[in-house]
Amino acid sequence: GQNIDQPTEMTATEGAIVQINCTYQTSGFNGLFWYQQHAGEAPTFLSYNVLDGLEEKGRFSSFLSRSKGYSYLLLKELQMKDSASYLCACMDSNYQLIWGAGTKLIIKP
Amino acid sequence: GAVVSQHPSRVICKSGTSVKIECRSLDFQATTMFWYRQFPKQSLMLMATSNEGSKATYEQGVEKDKFLINHASLTLSTLTVTSAHPEDSSFYICSAKMDRDYEQYFGPGTRLTVT
Repeated sequence: GQNIDQPTEMTATEGAIVQINCTYQTSGFNGLFWYQQHAGEAPTFLSYNVLDGLEEKGRFSSFLSRSKGYSYLLLKELQMKDSASYLCACMDSNYQLIWGAGTKLIIKP
Repeated sequence: GAVVSQHPSRVICKSGTSVKIECRSLDFQATTMFWYRQFPKQSLMLMATSNEGSKATYEQGVEKDKFLINHASLTLSTLTVTSAHPEDSSFYICSAKMDRDYEQYFGPGTRLTVT
């Protein structure tokens, strides 16, 4: 079956660094997405990885290891506005997105 | 670019009535649109995938006669929740993608409350 696993909730301190992990098992693989979702709002795109390695985009970086079925989202210099849910999603062989349950990130002052 | 709108943003309806939600791609042609449902503290659940001019493909467990999807043009898809019940209360989100593009662009969502 297809499965995406990520932690349910994480807490971090303003100004610090946090890494949100995601492991996946899908039928086929056409890339992995990270989305940010604030409560009551639609998801917004953060990153897309299809090749192994680290993609850096400002304070956010995303890493992928296809052989391990593993990705992480790294958030640096955390700000209070980064409090949100972070969704990991894989695109399978049919180009459909398989979604993880999301990780709720709580930032404390 | 790549803006998707949804209307209405919030709707309250009585049990047994029908509600229509519109999803529009404002500045691009969306060959494929997706409809998701999200219950509180849960992830997105794909309900159906629709391609312009053809019938929608529904996910297992989603009643096609209850959730009517029409993708009549390259910029508009509608979801009609027929004979709504309180358990249909949820956050409904659409997304759209362009042909030969991998990214889905999400609408702002519609909060449906059935009383």
